[in-house]
Amino acid sequence: DAKTTQPTSMDCAEGRAANLPCNHSTISGNEYVYWYRQIHSQGPQYIIHGLKNNETNEMASLIITEDRKSSTLILPHATLRDTAVYYCIVRSLSGSARQLTFGSGTQLTVLP
Amino acid sequence: GAVVSQHPSWVICKSGTSVKIECRSLDFQATTMFWYRQFPKQSLMLMATSNEGSKATYEQGVEKDKFLINHASLTLSTLTVTSAHPEDSSFYICSASARDRASSYNSPLHFGNGTRLTVT
Repeated sequence: DAKTTQPTSMDCAEGRAANLPCNHSTISGNEYVYWYRQIHSQGPQYIIHGLKNNETNEMASLIITEDRKSSTLILPHATLRDTAVYYCIVRSLSGSARQLTFGSGTQLTVLP
Repeated sequence: GAVVSQHPSWVICKSGTSVKIECRSLDFQATTMFWYRQFPKQSLMLMATSNEGSKATYEQGVEKDKFLINHASLTLSTLTVTSAHPEDSSFYICSASARDRASSYNSPLHFGNGTRLTVT
């Protein structure tokens, strides 16, 4: 799987948009970008995923650059409950390799 | 949405004993389940892939005789930590992929809430 690079930590003011960047410069054409988050001592929670088009759901928006070498997860109105580690993962679609390989992620802290 | 349940959520056991952790898909059938381990302040590390009706596939460095995996049905996989030692203390997390999307590789994996194992 392609590796991803994320900042170690970020802060965001409550009510503001949180923009979490991710670099995946070696991504292949058939690999999706997934975002998960993990609140302390819980299992990872799926947020959103995309291939090349921007995506939006009730939780967040995903902006993928045209060359697909980077993406940004946007939480439009961050709340204190959004404090978590956010993982950007590139997922191989080949064969049976459907597992998720987690990197270090970004610790997002939403400040009151 | 898809729900994955793990039990127990935490367990304390004595060194040398065995502990069984259950992972259930509550509202979907899962042909494949994944088991991860997470040490404090570290990321999740894949331990093994559990396939219903066949032997699990273990990642390099994970002892298959120590971490026994059974995936006897489409809704249940179990991980047994045999002869547990203090260094096995960790956060164990399972995830599952829905069967009806088996041909759709982009379907998201859903995770259980993890099991905190402490070996004394």
